[in-house]
Amino acid sequence: GENVEQHPSTLSVQEGDSAVIKCTYSDSASNYFPWYKQELGKRPQLIIDIRSNVGEKKDQRIAVTLNKTAKHFSLHITETQPEDSAVYFCAASKGRGSTLGRLYFGRGTQLTVWP
Amino acid sequence: GAVVSQHPSWVICKSGTSVKIECRSLDFQATTMFWYRQFPKQSLMLMATSNEGSKATYEQGVEKDKFLINHASLTLSTLTVTSAHPEDSSFYICSESSGPDTQYFGPGTRLTVL
Repeated sequence: GENVEQHPSTLSVQEGDSAVIKCTYSDSASNYFPWYKQELGKRPQLIIDIRSNVGEKKDQRIAVTLNKTAKHFSLHITETQPEDSAVYFCAASKGRGSTLGRLYFGRGTQLTVWP
Repeated sequence: GAVVSQHPSWVICKSGTSVKIECRSLDFQATTMFWYRQFPKQSLMLMATSNEGSKATYEQGVEKDKFLINHASLTLSTLTVTSAHPEDSSFYICSESSGPDTQYFGPGTRLTVL
């Protein structure tokens, strides 16, 4: 099966600084890589995703990069704000359809943004 | 994105009783739903994949006779925790696939077994 590693487990930054979270995956057949933000006691919310035919994707202050050769992908948050504080999970999957659509999650990164 | 609801949002039960959690897809006919469990400060652990009209596929180590999953319609999947024990206390979340890959999560159910 797929193995997703995520680093760091905790990350503290000053408001306005950038934050980077990195993930690696083991199965070269994985082709879909979403990132979720989860606030305490709430559901994971999809914030950005990338598919294997794309190397980079950006949405305002959030960007994700993918290196298929090295099997790693990263989340970049610029101009961080206190409301960005949450746990972030990366995930990988082989695409939709029965168990093929299952997500393999990283262990999560607790991001704290200090005002 | 897709809208997924769960009921109840939290439940407290006595040890030995059974608890049913519902997951509804409000705007999408989901042939596949996923059930996850999340312990405090840990990642989401997939318990089973729920397929409409057929038996669920359970992950290794998850007891299918303890965690009963029913997916009788395209909009409803249920998870029943039978003979619950304190170690079953956790945050249970369902998700559904919308589009080619994207999964959206329900709000979760906090189960506390006394």
